[in-house]
Amino acid sequence: GESVGLHLPTLSVQEGDNSIINCAYSNSASDYFIWYKQESGKGPQFIIDIRSNMDKRQGQRVTVLLNKTVKHLSLQIAATQPGDSAVYFCAEKVRNEKLTFGTGTRLTIIP
Amino acid sequence: DGGITQSPKYLFRKEGQNVTLSCEQNLNHDAMYWYRQDPGQGLRLIYYSQIVNDFQKGDIAEGYSVSREKKESFPLTVTSAQKNPTAFYLCASSIAGGPYEQYFGPGTRLTVT
Repeated sequence: GESVGLHLPTLSVQEGDNSIINCAYSNSASDYFIWYKQESGKGPQFIIDIRSNMDKRQGQRVTVLLNKTVKHLSLQIAATQPGDSAVYFCAEKVRNEKLTFGTGTRLTIIP
Repeated sequence: DGGITQSPKYLFRKEGQNVTLSCEQNLNHDAMYWYRQDPGQGLRLIYYSQIVNDFQKGDIAEGYSVSREKKESFPLTVTSAQKNPTAFYLCASSIAGGPYEQYFGPGTRLTVT
């Protein structure tokens, strides 16, 4: 069936460096994508979203890139900080249907 | 403050007992959702509701029940029929329909022994 997946389950990045978290999706009809951050024992927090009519969207220290040709989504975090350590999920949605979540990537920031 | 609250944060039950998890939101959202999260895994949808007095099964509804009598509240009951109830349960809400983000509560960790 259709699924959202991640290339890497874990990622370690030196503090101050940029990090890139990748996500592959298989449903070409998906028109909305979200990145969430989840710290241990807490609920997911919304980071940034992007609609399928866009290729790039920027927030505070974060950028989401969408490549519809290869069905790939990435989250770039600039100048990583210890507080960025968490699990990051991508999620996709087709029109008014429910969100489908990936399994997550654990990002660890090395001091 | 606007947001979603879940209570309690930790819940312990004996096998064979039903247990109800609370979820309340004051964001004036029509849609509410319940997810289950197991260690190292993503979120799986249990039930969702797009409007008061209506709800639909998600991907893993067996052994669970919900009600939506008020817009603000969407309680989840984990019944004794649920084979592996120990998990982290997350409630979320959003504007109904369309491409809108879901806002999550802090979660309830249920342990059944």
